[in-house]
Amino acid sequence: NAGVTQTPKFQVLKTGQSMTLQCAQDMNHNSMYWYRQDPGMGLRLIYYSASEGTTDKGEVPNGYNVSRLNKREFSLRLESAAPSQTSVYFCASSQGGLGQGRTEAFFGQGTRLTVV
Amino acid sequence: QKEVEQDPGPLSVPEGAIVSLNCTYSNSAFQYFMWYRQYSRKGPELLMYTYSSGNKEDGRFTAQVDKSSKYISLFIRDSQPSDSATYLCAMTSNTGNQFYFGTGTSLTVIP
Repeated sequence: NAGVTQTPKFQVLKTGQSMTLQCAQDMNHNSMYWYRQDPGMGLRLIYYSASEGTTDKGEVPNGYNVSRLNKREFSLRLESAAPSQTSVYFCASSQGGLGQGRTEAFFGQGTRLTVV
Repeated sequence: QKEVEQDPGPLSVPEGAIVSLNCTYSNSAFQYFMWYRQYSRKGPELLMYTYSSGNKEDGRFTAQVDKSSKYISLFIRDSQPSDSATYLCAMTSNTGNQFYFGTGTSLTVIP
């Protein structure tokens, strides 16, 4: 049971380049999330998807787009990377659908992104 | 005011000590409370999960929730060097679509 799988694990981008971070979960969870983690800032929610077919902005959505491709997969796209987007990105999933509340979240191992 | 407040530490204790980690929160609708452990350069892993008020014990770990004070705690007994990590609290409500995290407390257990 793989849980939440993120690819790639590491990435270096030049300013202005684009890339997509991939996330897949095999727990049949309804909700999926993208967070970024910066020193001293904790986990900050970028976007989330409370059910297949819905996405919503979190605390720090600017510069990012997401796609809930199906129930298993939730991707995060940086259209024009900036040095301020250098961070560690985590995907997570949880049971519970739109407005149903949720219990615990399960995290992937993260993607370390550096924008130069 | 942030929804969840957590002392970032760092906290350094000798092996075998009892460790107390704490979070406070402001939203009385929170019903589900979690503690995550995050090792350096790894993703957060779920350590403890509790619903509403009360205590939950799992081996050397005890989670406490006091909803009247909006205060949650994680106790680690007989701490080990392998417990050295960052501990994050998290919480959510019955109907909410999001989790709310503390910023994490860095713990080092010295052999």
